Amino acid sequence: DTGVSQNPRHKITKRGQNVTFRCDPISEHNRLYWYRQTLGQGPEFLTYFQNEAQLEKSRLLSDRFSAERPKGSFSTLEIQRTEQGDSAMYLCASSLVVGYQETQYFGPGTRLLVL
Amino acid sequence: DQQVKQNSPSLSVQEGRISILNCDYTNSMFDYFLWYKKYPAEGPTFLISISSIKDKNEDGRFTVFLNKSAKHLSLHIVPSQPGDSAVYFCAASDADKLIFGTGTRLQVFP
Repeated sequence: DTGVSQNPRHKITKRGQNVTFRCDPISEHNRLYWYRQTLGQGPEFLTYFQNEAQLEKSRLLSDRFSAERPKGSFSTLEIQRTEQGDSAMYLCASSLVVGYQETQYFGPGTRLLVL
Repeated sequence: DQQVKQNSPSLSVQEGRISILNCDYTNSMFDYFLWYKKYPAEGPTFLISISSIKDKNEDGRFTVFLNKSAKHLSLHIVPSQPGDSAVYFCAASDADKLIFGTGTRLQVFP
């Protein structure tokens, strides 16, 4: 399978705990994105990387959230001191920028439930 | 404020008929638009896109129309099939990120 993969697919945690999600992009893609989706909404942008550089962060990304992409390959998204409002589907997408238009391809997502 | 709007939360269409999903946007600077399909418990799957230099793009049963003056785009699915039943998201490319609408749930019945 050469698509975007995410692990774990589901995570249940207690409020106050830290969680970490992993995303493996399509191998030749140089951009990697994180989005969050809550019930009844479309995905909302959180942050993105071009290779290993984190180029933009949404104001949705509080200081409890941190993302990394060491060596420009896989990425991790960590949420510290989780809150019930963090419960959502966390989606990763990757793209190969050619010219000025790009198409993002999404992984299956990690569904987080904070109790 | 919602920059990309899908005002119909659901649509029900008979198999074989045309499905038309609509999307409106507010920012005239948007120049690239995409449609994604999403099944439950899966990530969005890319369907089709259109650049603002075009007013139509076709791929098999899927056609996207763009009306820049009205800031409106639509996705036509002809003929509709039961496997098309899913949530469809319209998205606009804003610099390096996508801005999504809230989705339209399409149900295709026999």
